[in-house]
Amino acid sequence: DAGVIQSPRHEVTEMGQEVTLRCKPISGHDYLFWYRQTMMRGLELLIYFNNNVPIDDSGMPEDRFSAKMPNASFSTLKIQPSEPRDSAVYFCASSQRGSYGYTFGSGTRLTVV
Amino acid sequence: QQQVKQSPQSLIVQKGGISIINCAYENTAFDYFPWYQQFPGKGPALLIAIRPDVSEKKEGRFTISFNKSAKQFSLHIMDSQPGDSATYFCAASGQGGSEKLVFGKGTKLTVNP
Repeated sequence: DAGVIQSPRHEVTEMGQEVTLRCKPISGHDYLFWYRQTMMRGLELLIYFNNNVPIDDSGMPEDRFSAKMPNASFSTLKIQPSEPRDSAVYFCASSQRGSYGYTFGSGTRLTVV
Repeated sequence: QQQVKQSPQSLIVQKGGISIINCAYENTAFDYFPWYQQFPGKGPALLIAIRPDVSEKKEGRFTISFNKSAKQFSLHIMDSQPGDSATYFCAASGQGGSEKLVFGKGTKLTVNP
């Protein structure tokens, strides 16, 4: 099992550009979570899916952020347009109903200059 | 209601000492309390978890103590080792872990040799 796979590992982009982060959850997991980690705010849940359906997107900062899960093996988090305050590490995690604990990916470090 | 408050923010312990990290919550619907360990450049990884029907759970050198009436739980690391140096997050969720996890802000632990 390769675990939760995120790409890219690092992304540097200019303010105003579109950024797309990608995640492949563990096969068989039916929950997928997107978190953002910063020194100031810690780990914040942005959105989570169950069986590819968005369940709670109340943590998405604003309309510039969007997330999709077109199938059970792939999800994207898009920021358009990006701003310097979006700079953070973005984590994807997956879990399986009935088992406890999330498995996190290694994260994408996003820097918006 | 959804917050989990974690302390201290940072902790320095000598090798062989005991590391203690505390967390408090308000939402009485929480019924699953995991701890995650994060090394630099990695995603958080599940370390140990407890449910409120027990007051203590031990796995090796790691112990969770749970006080339901006080709505507090803590992580104890016995015989702390330099390899334990990492950031530790407490978390909580409802419905036995099926709901989204709410994380504390994290504690950076440094174990000096």
